[in-house]
Amino acid sequence: DSGVTQTPKHLITATGQRVTLRCSPRSGDLSVYWYQQSLDQGLQFLIQYYNGEERAKGNILERFSAQQFPDLHSELNLSSLELGDSALYFCASSARSGGELFFGEGSRLTVL
Amino acid sequence: SQQGEEDPQALSIQEGENATMNCSYKTSINNLQWYRQNSGRGLVHLILIRSNEREKHSGRLRVTLDTSKKSSSLLITASRAADTASYFCATDAFRRGADGLTFGKGTHLIIQP
Repeated sequence: DSGVTQTPKHLITATGQRVTLRCSPRSGDLSVYWYQQSLDQGLQFLIQYYNGEERAKGNILERFSAQQFPDLHSELNLSSLELGDSALYFCASSARSGGELFFGEGSRLTVL
Repeated sequence: SQQGEEDPQALSIQEGENATMNCSYKTSINNLQWYRQNSGRGLVHLILIRSNEREKHSGRLRVTLDTSKKSSSLLITASRAADTASYFCATDAFRRGADGLTFGKGTHLIIQP
């Protein structure tokens, strides 16, 4: 158990819809990272938050947004969903910059 | 784009044999990490090697790093069925303020009993 909790584990929705994925980092970790994993693109870094502030941005689409709340949990919002958004979405947290990441079990999104 | 690229993409060996996976990357790094992922599960950190280190051991794992060739290798000795998983190398972005790790596409390792 990594200590990182993600909900929901599975989500099935239709194109054009909007979903919110939630992540609770390990106790004490200030950094939260979001990754998307698909068969064709591999594991893609989306965005990082540190203590409530956006720290780094990767390959995140404009239809996607994220935030980190004062209690350090984070949410990833995916809107105007397309078939190609079907993927595993992982949240990870870390205690320090450049250190190891602790991953949650992921949220599997299926867009029909 | 992927910073790290693992080779081979897939590897199947007999239990008890050694498994070697390679990773190449493109830009300067502070450290390189290896992770394991069991099918459909979250990634688990295995080992971190800093740019000023050449070799590191952890149990049955041995990692080497050659910064002049921008490459790393992960050796798993005396493989077990439980080692069946995908293995990813990850590099940090050597630029100020950017913390996100960049992962390769992974090597899928199958250990046959």
